[in-house]
Amino acid sequence: DAGVIQSPRHEVTEMGQEVTLRCKPISGHDYLFWYRQTMMRGLELLIYFNNNVPIDDSGMPEDRFSAKMPNASFSTLKIQPSEPRDSAVYFCASEMGRDRFLSPDTQYFGPGTRLTVL
Amino acid sequence: GESVGLHLPTLSVQEGDNSIINCAYSNSASDYFIWYKQESGKGPQFIIDIRSNMDKRQGQRVTVLLNKTVKHLSLQIAATQPGDSAVYFCAEVIYNFNKFYFGSGTKLNVKP
Repeated sequence: DAGVIQSPRHEVTEMGQEVTLRCKPISGHDYLFWYRQTMMRGLELLIYFNNNVPIDDSGMPEDRFSAKMPNASFSTLKIQPSEPRDSAVYFCASEMGRDRFLSPDTQYFGPGTRLTVL
Repeated sequence: GESVGLHLPTLSVQEGDNSIINCAYSNSASDYFIWYKQESGKGPQFIIDIRSNMDKRQGQRVTVLLNKTVKHLSLQIAATQPGDSAVYFCAEVIYNFNKFYFGSGTKLNVKP
């Protein structure tokens, strides 16, 4: 397996523009996570899905952020409109998650998308 | 609120020495803890985890110790190598509340 795939790897945009980040999880994984990483705040969980259904989006900063998972092999994180303070590295991670209460599973992270909003 | 933090933001060690990275947590309801390694330009990579009902777990060259009395977690790396240079995060997982908390990270520098 190629691991978690994210695109684009780098994105530079201007304030006010819409940004869409994409993620392909590892095949067979039931859980998908979106994280944001900044120097100031570290790694923050934004939202996660179980079997394509959003479970917890309490980490999403505001209504400008939205995430979808239309099928088991694809998810998007959209920012509209983008602002300079959204500049960060955004990671997607997936986890098999079966029997996770009995046997903790590993989250596999993608390489991240570095977003710069000017 | 819940928080996971690290005592030392940067740790420099000599190649071949042992490294100890520390982490403090505040929530007693956690199910388990994870240590991640993040190299420059890459996503975090799982190193080792430990369930909350354990005190110690060993992997290859790494050992995680959990002290629930003082809510402290440590990662010990034996015979540190240049390839160990990275930022290390501890994470706390609370399944019942679907919560995941990451510490701010400790940067490990291995000097040749």
